[in-house]
Amino acid sequence: AQKVTQAQTEISVVEKEDVTLDCVYETRDTTYYLFWYKQPPSGELVFLIRRNSFDEQNEISGRYSWNFQKSTSSFNFTITASQVVDSAVYFCALISYNTDKLIFGTGTRLQVFP
Amino acid sequence: DSGVTQTPKHLITATGQRVTLRCSPRSGDLSVYWYQQSLDQGLQFLIQYYNGEERAKGNILERFSAQQFPDLHSELNLSSLELGDSALYFCASSSIGRNTEAFFGQGTRLTVV
Repeated sequence: AQKVTQAQTEISVVEKEDVTLDCVYETRDTTYYLFWYKQPPSGELVFLIRRNSFDEQNEISGRYSWNFQKSTSSFNFTITASQVVDSAVYFCALISYNTDKLIFGTGTRLQVFP
Repeated sequence: DSGVTQTPKHLITATGQRVTLRCSPRSGDLSVYWYQQSLDQGLQFLIQYYNGEERAKGNILERFSAQQFPDLHSELNLSSLELGDSALYFCASSSIGRNTEAFFGQGTRLTVV
């Protein structure tokens, strides 16, 4: 069975603070893919990153960085120097090679205050 | 703009009615996913089609059905609607499926009154 757990329901920070959103996943497959999506107040879901299970390199894109650790089944997302525009709900998702089901975590609502 | 088009954007209907939600995937994408997002349940996977065939099924009610047509657009049919079916319904498409990212439409907000 597949499962994605985002234990942090809501996080509030002040602008310029760094914040890390946690994601823990479960799957029995050795080949799988992990994703992060952003859902701003306007409601659309915006793709941020994809990572496959064979690539444990961390990735940095501007103020965003992702830490993938297979040993702890985690795929955490860090925003450095947060901005008000980062306020959104962030979803972690998983699809395993043998299931075709793209499963989402329950999301973490991030509020960045000025 | 993700390239995925969903219509209508908003829908208000009465209990017991039937509605059809439409999704046009990105050009060239063969895979279509449907999700339901309600306040208390997050993003629930409903069903996935790949090139016209059903590939995976989630927690989709028997009152709900979907199909993907030869031109790759997809429709989600919701019947005998209940108040609890009020939610945001998303369609997403991807080029292959498992190892490519899915791009989401803007969703259809369904309100059942």
